[in-house]
Amino acid sequence: AQTVTQSQPEMSVQEAETVTLSCTYDTSENNYYLFWYKQPPSRQMILVIRQEAYKQQNATENRFSVNFQKAAKSFSLKISDSQLGDTAMYFCAFMKHWNNDMRFGAGTRLTVKP
Amino acid sequence: NAGVTQTPKFQVLKTGQSMTLQCAQDMNHEYMSWYRQDPGMGLRLIHYSVGAGITDQGEVPNGYNVSRSTTEDFPLRLLSAAPSQTSVYFCASSSDRGQETQYFGPGTRLLVL
Repeated sequence: AQTVTQSQPEMSVQEAETVTLSCTYDTSENNYYLFWYKQPPSRQMILVIRQEAYKQQNATENRFSVNFQKAAKSFSLKISDSQLGDTAMYFCAFMKHWNNDMRFGAGTRLTVKP
Repeated sequence: NAGVTQTPKFQVLKTGQSMTLQCAQDMNHEYMSWYRQDPGMGLRLIHYSVGAGITDQGEVPNGYNVSRSTTEDFPLRLLSAAPSQTSVYFCASSSDRGQETQYFGPGTRLLVL
């Protein structure tokens, strides 16, 4: 079974600075997808960024980028120029190719301080 | 489009009661899923459906039933609620198996006394 581990229960960062959230996963699959979801206090799950395992290039979405290390099974999220609105829980998730069974990590609570 | 909608937003049940959590999507998505989120944990998959008439179990299916009679709706039934089912429940949908992002509803908070 696939497992996803987020080793940082809580993190904080000053506004406008950069922060990196860690995620590791365990799988024997070769084709899969990785995601970062943001959950603000409203509880809405919002997709931040997605990475296909077969792509070597790291995904980027504006201020959000990932460092995908397939051999190391690592998938970290970098948030640049942090904003107060980035304060939320962040979940890393894994999904096998051709399968809708998504596995989530326990989450990292990020606080952006003014 | 309303996206994925869930009702109710909050519900209190007594142990042994039954209820149905409603989920609907208007994006014509084939794939729909139910997750639960407990404090300190990520979301865990309860049941999922790959299309009308087809459902399957996820990671934590015990105590829950689902059916998928239409593409739009995917209700989750608790037959006999237990305190261990106190959680926040999320419904999600996607347009293609494992290839597209899942879109989540706003969640239903359930408290079982």
